[in-house]
Amino acid sequence: LQLQESGPGLVKPSETLSLTCSVSGFSIIDSTYYWAWIRQPPGKGLEWIGSIFSSGRTTYYKPSLRSRVTISLDTSESQVSLKLSSVTAADTAMYYCARDRDPNASGSMPAHWGPGIWVTVSS
Amino acid sequence: DIQMTQSPSSLSASVGDRITITCRASQNIFDFLNWYQQKPGKAPNLLILSASNLQTGVPSRFSASGSGTDFTLTISSLQPEDFGTYYCQQSYGTPFTFGPGTKVDIK
Repeated sequence: LQLQESGPGLVKPSETLSLTCSVSGFSIIDSTYYWAWIRQPPGKGLEWIGSIFSSGRTTYYKPSLRSRVTISLDTSESQVSLKLSSVTAADTAMYYCARDRDPNASGSMPAHWGPGIWVTVSS
Repeated sequence: DIQMTQSPSSLSASVGDRITITCRASQNIFDFLNWYQQKPGKAPNLLILSASNLQTGVPSRFSASGSGTDFTLTISSLQPEDFGTYYCQQSYGTPFTFGPGTKVDIK
């Protein structure tokens, strides 16, 4: 299993941050795992953003971000996507995608991580 | 949200030392507690799940315990490769919050 985040490294304030996590070596749809997005602002700790079930029908979001976040699956491309709207400088962070260690864990025990992608919000 | 705290925020210890990191949850999370190690520039690595269960491949010098609101991670004999920042994370309920981290330096 390998995960690789991709997307623009620079996003302007008020715009939408769009990231993709490409999954290889594992079938997104033939499983009962959750896929999560987690971020880490510079020099700070980890913040769980949300997760999505492999069916794509169940998502969990951090309440304080819920109005701005959408996590989705593209099973044909084996990708997990993150969209975060109306970004500000506070959204500058390393963004990680991850898969739970165990099935049906709701995104609660990310054990397989991508290397992360650095996103800066600046004009 | 469940708030997680950790102490100390940083520590410096010598190779061979025994170190303990404490994590506290703002409410009862039973044994829904994971520990991660993160090295600079790298993604976190899951060490311990369900409060006391070593993830596959994690050296036996790592151990953890606790339940309810108070948890500990112990490294019985610190090794040079154990430097990094350690995070606890509650897996009891969404959002799955992390502690602020404990930075471990090797003297």
